[in-house]
Amino acid sequence: AQRVTQPEKLLSVFKGAPVELKCNYSYSGSPELFWYVQYSRQRLQLLLRHISRESIKGFTADLNKGETSFHLKKPFAQEEDSAMYYCALSSGNAGNMLTFGGGTRLMVKP
Amino acid sequence: GAVVSQHPSWVICKSGTSVKIECRSLDFQATTMFWYRQFPKQSLMLMATSNEGSKATYEQGVEKDKFLINHASLTLSTLTVTSAHPEDSSFYICSAPWGTQYFGPGTRLLVL
Repeated sequence: AQRVTQPEKLLSVFKGAPVELKCNYSYSGSPELFWYVQYSRQRLQLLLRHISRESIKGFTADLNKGETSFHLKKPFAQEEDSAMYYCALSSGNAGNMLTFGGGTRLMVKP
Repeated sequence: GAVVSQHPSWVICKSGTSVKIECRSLDFQATTMFWYRQFPKQSLMLMATSNEGSKATYEQGVEKDKFLINHASLTLSTLTVTSAHPEDSSFYICSAPWGTQYFGPGTRLLVL
C-alpha cells in the first residue's frame, strides 16, 4: 500500500526565512512524487513534480529514495507563499490516482 | 492549460434528498476522472475512480450505492450523493489527468 506522511500540520516562519516542508512516503515500486499547493479560496494546483527537476516560485524538491523523502524547500519565504501544501504520490502513470499526505499549512509572517 | 470545472460550487439540501455534482474537463478529454472528499482541515481522500464506458472503482469503505458515479462522456463525470445525511456534508473535489492531474474548484455540500 502506498502512503504519504507530512509530519507537520502547521509551519510558521518569518518572511525571508528558509522553509522546508517535510514529506515521506512508502511505496514498493517507483513512485512519482508531487507537491500541490492550495491558496486561500482557490483550487488545488500543481507546484512541482520530481521528474521535472524544476524550480517553481523558488521552491525545489529532491526525491531521496534512500530516505523515501521528497521535502519541499525554499531559501527565502515570501508572504504570498502562505498556503496549504500537499505532498502526493502516484504509481507513475498520469492517469493513476494520487495519494495525498495530510497537508502542511505554511504561514509566512511579515 | 487544462481546466476542470465543477457544478455546483456549493449546495444545501435536506436530509434524505439526492444531490448531483458534475465534473467537466473543458478543453481536453478524460477517460478517467477521480473523486475526492475533503473534510475541514483535513487532506483529500480518494473516494472513487470514474471510468468512461465502464463502472467506477470505489475505494475501500466508500458505499457505491450511496455515491453513484456516472462517466457519461469523455468530458463529464457525475457524482450523485443519494439519500444524503448530515454526515455527508463535506467538500467534494474531482480531478482529471492531462499530463498531470488537474483539479476542479470543488463543491461544498451541506446537508441539513
